[in-house]
Amino acid sequence: QKEVEQDPGPLSVPEGAIVSLNCTYSNSAFQYFMWYRQYSRKGPELLMYTYSSGNKEDGRFTAQVDKSSKYISLFIRDSQPSDSATYLCAMIPTGGGNKLTFGTGTQLKVEL
Amino acid sequence: ETGVTQSPTHLIKTRGQQVTLRCSSQSGHNTVSWYQQALGQGPQFIFQYYREEENGRGNFPPRFSGLQFPNYSSELNVNALELDDSALYLCASSLGPPKSSYNEQFFGPGTRLTVL
Repeated sequence: QKEVEQDPGPLSVPEGAIVSLNCTYSNSAFQYFMWYRQYSRKGPELLMYTYSSGNKEDGRFTAQVDKSSKYISLFIRDSQPSDSATYLCAMIPTGGGNKLTFGTGTQLKVEL
Repeated sequence: ETGVTQSPTHLIKTRGQQVTLRCSSQSGHNTVSWYQQALGQGPQFIFQYYREEENGRGNFPPRFSGLQFPNYSSELNVNALELDDSALYLCASSLGPPKSSYNEQFFGPGTRLTVL
């Protein structure tokens, strides 16, 4: 079993929809939770970063962490075709030396 | 400010050969991490260098080795290439020290390696 599980999709939604992306994890030591966006043939870029449990909002993006359930989510409001990409969750344990453990990635397509 | 750059962009090798991939970190960053991303998978941590010293290694065999230079650029070397080594190799730089709380990692565009 992988430490971080993520539905690979693909997920196809109409423009303007609310998108929900999720990851589950097994290592209770994970304390830092990130969401990256990766366009085709590009490196991942950081979207959101959350420490421990709670919510964080940045524009159309909201990240949620529920450590009791070992479950994290990324919500995208008013989705745009430019949001079409692969979304990767990533985590670091306390004292983890900044070494990221990634999920598989979910491929998202936002259609006109 | 220059971002993370990697060379070459693409590379084709045959089984048993050796390959060297290069990474220039973002200006001012002293930590470089390397990741392997197989098709349809998330990146997997290979190893990390902080101020020219290896600072942790993932579950990769010794034929994967690396270097970090005084200007904090880095190389990833892979010996005795296998078909399963075909992947996108990503380099990420950050400002250490790595044992502190999370430091944002900035990824390069990657080198796509194909092993035939």
